[in-house]
Amino acid sequence: QPVLTQSSSASASLGSSVKLTCTLSSGHSSYTIAWHQQQPGKAPRYLMKVEGSGRYNKGSGVPDRFSGSSSGADRHLTISNLQSEDEADYYCETWDSNTRVFGGGTKLTVL
Amino acid sequence: EVQLVESGGGLVQPGGSLRLSCAASGFTFSTYSMNWVRQAPGKGLEWLSYITGSSSIIYYADSVKGRFTISRDNAKNSLYLQMNSLRDEDTAIYYCARAYGSGSPIDYWGQGTLVTVSS
Repeated sequence: QPVLTQSSSASASLGSSVKLTCTLSSGHSSYTIAWHQQQPGKAPRYLMKVEGSGRYNKGSGVPDRFSGSSSGADRHLTISNLQSEDEADYYCETWDSNTRVFGGGTKLTVL
Repeated sequence: EVQLVESGGGLVQPGGSLRLSCAASGFTFSTYSMNWVRQAPGKGLEWLSYITGSSSIIYYADSVKGRFTISRDNAKNSLYLQMNSLRDEDTAIYYCARAYGSGSPIDYWGQGTLVTVSS
């Protein structure tokens, strides 16, 4: 089954941009993934789906500041014009024939 | 508006049982697959189980296989998770989550219900 690897933490300044990365394991580099945001004390929220081609499809109400991209086995989430409410944990998710897998999550700090 | 509302969490002793429920509204429940996902205190997300709209296909994570049972009642727009032989490490917030099918991402989450396994 696929394995997703994320950096444990990231930080960026208010108003700047940040790019988070989720890396698919060997043999799974073509997989589509999804990004979810979990603000402190809240349930996760679906942000978008990112395909291996780089095409991405956002969920309802997700601000334009959020975008996705791909490079090889890496799937990226870019947040532009960082706001304080973007400080959260970000998880990637993928799925196979009989399982779903989450990455370990990246804690984003907005400075 | 899509809503998923979990209930049934609480404090249970090791070895005990608990049944979680998830009430769905705002969409045609029977046409969507559903999942249970949990999050232990201070930890990441762990997928537990999946059920198709017709209940014809069910999957479990190895960590809960044989102990947990997922089911649904489309007439009641409800999803369930029967948890038996509970262990300390099952302590977590349990979320129900919607996905269109096995080849689609989770696109809506409930607010979660806390299960604490402790003597």
